[in-house]
Amino acid sequence: DAGITQSPRHKVTETGTPVTLRCHQTENHRYMYWYRQDPGHGLRLIHYSYGVKDTDKGEVSDGYSVSRSKTEDFLLTLESATSSQTSVYFCAISARGQGSYEQYFGPGTRLTVT
Amino acid sequence: GQQVMQIPQYQHVQEGEDFTTYCNSSTTLSNIQWYKQRPGGHPVFLIQLVKSGEVKKQKRLTFQFGEAKKNSSLHITATQTTDVGTYFCSYGGSQGNLIFGKGTKLSVKP
Repeated sequence: DAGITQSPRHKVTETGTPVTLRCHQTENHRYMYWYRQDPGHGLRLIHYSYGVKDTDKGEVSDGYSVSRSKTEDFLLTLESATSSQTSVYFCAISARGQGSYEQYFGPGTRLTVT
Repeated sequence: GQQVMQIPQYQHVQEGEDFTTYCNSSTTLSNIQWYKQRPGGHPVFLIQLVKSGEVKKQKRLTFQFGEAKKNSSLHITATQTTDVGTYFCSYGGSQGNLIFGKGTKLSVKP
């Protein structure tokens, strides 16, 4: 699946603690995305990146920050986790080109904030 | 911003029956994609449609983009248990991101 890995795959953390999720890709794609998936809400964009050190906010960015220091890695940080951030987080890359919006998703990280 | 509505939210069918999910927008879309997500899995890209009235087929799956480019459908002929999952439509936003519908969850009774 387009060489995308996410770590950790599962995490339980306490309210108020910082959490960093990692997305790693091996195919040198320029565009990378972080989504969260919640019942009744589908997939919602948190942040995205269009190159090294180039990032922007998505629909639900409050409480999250991102960094991309290398093409292959896109990090999502919850500065101070809250129970509302319990969710499944998916990273995706875009095989954009000539009008294609085709995206490939990583396996996901299930995060529980207690 | 633009939203896409998917109906139905859930569909339960007997194996062998047909299944259709619809994706509707109040505004014209430049493109639409369909994804499938198996239980416990991640979304997997199925197809992209860009032309008015476009119809594409993948084995038992038929995808259609409306003439006005405001709606799309996915039809599965003779469902199988392997078709179980949630089907999402999406369209490309201005940021290069995807805006997703909330999906149609398909269950198939053998």
